[in-house]
Amino acid sequence: KNEVEQSPQNLTAQEGEFITINCSYSVGISALHWLQQHPGGGIVSLFMLSSGKKKHGRLIATINIQEKHSSLHITASHPRDSAVYICAASNTGNQFYFGTGTSLTVIP
Amino acid sequence: KAGVTQTPRYLIKTRGQQVTLSCSPISGHRSVSWYQQTPGQGLQFLFEYFSETQRNKGNFPGRFSGRQFSNSRSEMNVSTLELGDSALYLCASSLQGDSPLHFGNGTRLTVT
Repeated sequence: KNEVEQSPQNLTAQEGEFITINCSYSVGISALHWLQQHPGGGIVSLFMLSSGKKKHGRLIATINIQEKHSSLHITASHPRDSAVYICAASNTGNQFYFGTGTSLTVIP
Repeated sequence: KAGVTQTPRYLIKTRGQQVTLSCSPISGHRSVSWYQQTPGQGLQFLFEYFSETQRNKGNFPGRFSGRQFSNSRSEMNVSTLELGDSALYLCASSLQGDSPLHFGNGTRLTVT
């Protein structure tokens, strides 16, 4: 079993839809990261959170420490949001565990 | 502020050879971490350096090694290359290691 599980693996949405990507982890963490990877390989760190909720523009990330679960929400999705979204857990020793990613396609 | 710079962008090597990849972090960042990304295994953590010391290491064989210099620049070395080492190698820097990561564009290594 992987230390970090993501769902769904693939997601297709119509422009404007509300999107949720889920992440569950089984390791003790100091932080949970949400990453975005566009075709070509570049990775951008969207959020790093250890509790509660963070918002940046149309993106919202939440974490429930007791349930070891995090979600990434995209409101009013847009074709430029099409990318792979990766959840990663880091522990106090800065060891990283990655989910397998969610490939999102937003259709105009 | 310049971002994280990885060189080279592309590399083709032959089985058995060795390779050195370079990563220049964002100015002021003291932590540099390395990752391997393959279609089959996804992203995997290789190691992390802070102030020239390796603080943590992922589950990779000893053929994978790295170092960090006093200016925080880091190099990763893979010896005795195998076909399975073909991957995108990414490095990321952060202020202290427990702060957000900033990724480079990666080095795509092909082993033939």
